[in-house]
Amino acid sequence: GQNIDQPTEMTATEGAIVQINCTYQTSGFNGLFWYQQHAGEAPTFLSYNVLDGLEEKGRFSSFLSRSKGYSYLLLKELQMKDSASYLCAVREPTGGGNKLTFGTGTQLKVEL
Amino acid sequence: EPEVTQTPSHQVTQMGQEVILRCVPISNHLYFYWYRQILGQKVEFLVSFYNNEISEKSEIFDDQFSVERPDGSNFTLKIRSTKLEDSAMYFCAKSVEEYYGYTFGSGTRLTVV
Repeated sequence: GQNIDQPTEMTATEGAIVQINCTYQTSGFNGLFWYQQHAGEAPTFLSYNVLDGLEEKGRFSSFLSRSKGYSYLLLKELQMKDSASYLCAVREPTGGGNKLTFGTGTQLKVEL
Repeated sequence: EPEVTQTPSHQVTQMGQEVILRCVPISNHLYFYWYRQILGQKVEFLVSFYNNEISEKSEIFDDQFSVERPDGSNFTLKIRSTKLEDSAMYFCAKSVEEYYGYTFGSGTRLTVV
């Protein structure tokens, strides 16, 4: 079956670093995405990993280990505007193309 | 300028009524998707659409749902007879396969009363 797990909530301090973990078990794998979603808005793309290792993009980094079914999103120099839900999603190949399977999201609260 | 525009942004409808949600993807992407998100729950895949045909659909996408690209630009999701449990945010998405990225539209909040 399909299972994507991430913590429900996290709290961190402005200026700090936070790591959001995601573990997955899916029938197929063709890449892992991280999205940011503010309440009532659409998910916005943060990062994509298809090979093992670390991808860095400004204040955001994402890591993938395919053998462990594990990824994390690292946010540095946290700002208040980073308070949002962070969604881990696995791209699965299908007969007709592909689809994204999402985790339930991690609600991050950044405090002063 | 948004790459994917959805209309309406919010629609309230009575149970049993038909609704049509619209998506206008700017540019000539071939792959389009509909996802939905019930309040407080995860984003769920509904259907993928490639080369003007459904390529994959989920268990959620039953006979009351249909998708079309009627004029080569608009991409629509029709719900024939809405139920209370259809209340959700509906997102259209597009992708460019060579970049593997997905761009989501701003969403339509559907409220069935």
